[in-house]
Amino acid sequence: QQQVKQSPQSLIVQKGGIPIINCAYENTAFDYFPWYQQFPGKGPALLIAIRPDVSEKKEGRFTISFNKSAKQFSLHIMDSQPGDSATYFCAAPSEGTGSARQLTFGSGTQLTVLP
Amino acid sequence: SQTIHQWPATLVQPVGSPLSLECTVEGTSNPNLYWYRQAAGRGLQLLFYSVGIGQISSEVPQNLSASRPQDRQFILSSKKLLLSDSGFYLCAWGTFSSYNEQFFGPGTRLTVL
Repeated sequence: QQQVKQSPQSLIVQKGGIPIINCAYENTAFDYFPWYQQFPGKGPALLIAIRPDVSEKKEGRFTISFNKSAKQFSLHIMDSQPGDSATYFCAAPSEGTGSARQLTFGSGTQLTVLP
Repeated sequence: SQTIHQWPATLVQPVGSPLSLECTVEGTSNPNLYWYRQAAGRGLQLLFYSVGIGQISSEVPQNLSASRPQDRQFILSSKKLLLSDSGFYLCAWGTFSSYNEQFFGPGTRLTVL
């Protein structure tokens, strides 16, 4: 069974800072590691994902770094803005029965960006 | 483009009452469908998933059940709600491909009193 450990639980940065959220997983059924962003009262939205034939993926101000040997991946938010304040979840793949592909989610990081 | 709908958006129910939450997906066929529960300030707990009509797998034994009467419809039910059933219920869809991209609906906030 997949386990995903996410840290920190909460994070406060000043506007323009670079918050970093880390995740560690135990095993992989296949290679796909997404990050989700969730605002209060809303469903999580897929933010960025990496397929680790590369060690880094960048989309706008969001970057995923992946270390396959260490079984770790992290999210960096460049030039963070107050609008980035949200809860962020990492996820790692796990194999379900009946051919369904599943994701195991981290416990979430509540990010606050101060103006 | 694909869209996912959930209703109702909010629900307040007494203990012991029945429950029915509905999720529908548009713009795709034969999706994998998932029900998650999120307790306040917590992560996402997978409750059920389905790879096709009438095919339901349960991840956590509990007071809830799920059904998939149509290809793009997923229903979460309970015969008698418990206080511990309160939470934010999320439906998600995904494709059967090499990667497990999942896309979430807007959620239903359930409060059991």
